[in-house]
Amino acid sequence: EEQLVQSGAEVKKPGDSLKISCQGSGYFFPNRWVVWVRQMPGKGLELVGIIYPDDSDTTYSPSFEGQVTISADRSSSTAYLQWSSLRASDTAMYYCARLRGSRPDVFDVWGQGTMVIVSS
Amino acid sequence: DIQVTQSPSTLSASVGDRVTITCRATQSIGPYLAWYQQKPGKAPKLLIYQASRIEGGVPSRFSGSGSGTEFTLSISSLQPADFATYYCQQYHNYPWTFGQGTKVDVK
Repeated sequence: EEQLVQSGAEVKKPGDSLKISCQGSGYFFPNRWVVWVRQMPGKGLELVGIIYPDDSDTTYSPSFEGQVTISADRSSSTAYLQWSSLRASDTAMYYCARLRGSRPDVFDVWGQGTMVIVSS
Repeated sequence: DIQVTQSPSTLSASVGDRVTITCRATQSIGPYLAWYQQKPGKAPKLLIYQASRIEGGVPSRFSGSGSGTEFTLSISSLQPADFATYYCQQYHNYPWTFGQGTKVDVK
């Protein structure tokens, strides 16, 4: 079964750093683009950015450029989303998802989501 | 960025009803529109891609149409499992953007 499994929920304080993960299985992870999508509480879906795990080619959505870092480790079939200094406004559910084919394409496999809560 | 706007934001319907959701883009996106279904506490699920192509395993009561700037998602006969929030997404121009969502609830 092709799947993406994300790391567990996190509760952090403003200013903390954080790295969450998304591990793929059941398919050849390096040559399928992976996206990160944010969903703030009670709100819609926003694309954070996209990475090609084979060479770590990464593109951020303008709203997230400089705010987060996306990376990948092809040897462990894992993509990451990280913050160096969290803000309360980063509180959200974060999903990773796989692109079906080459850019542009749709998101056909999704992780279960990682809830990030930032509160003092 | 290309904006996509869904209507209505909320739709109240009964089992067996035909339901239609509209998505409009601020510029032409050709056929590069997808529809996703999201249930509470769950990740979104792909239903329709390229405006009208149904994803494998998705019931045939779901259909999509449109091209350019106006698109629709229809459910021919609403089933209990279909009460959820639906999102359209354009993937013509990066950053790919989602509509604000349409919640289908019980009338």
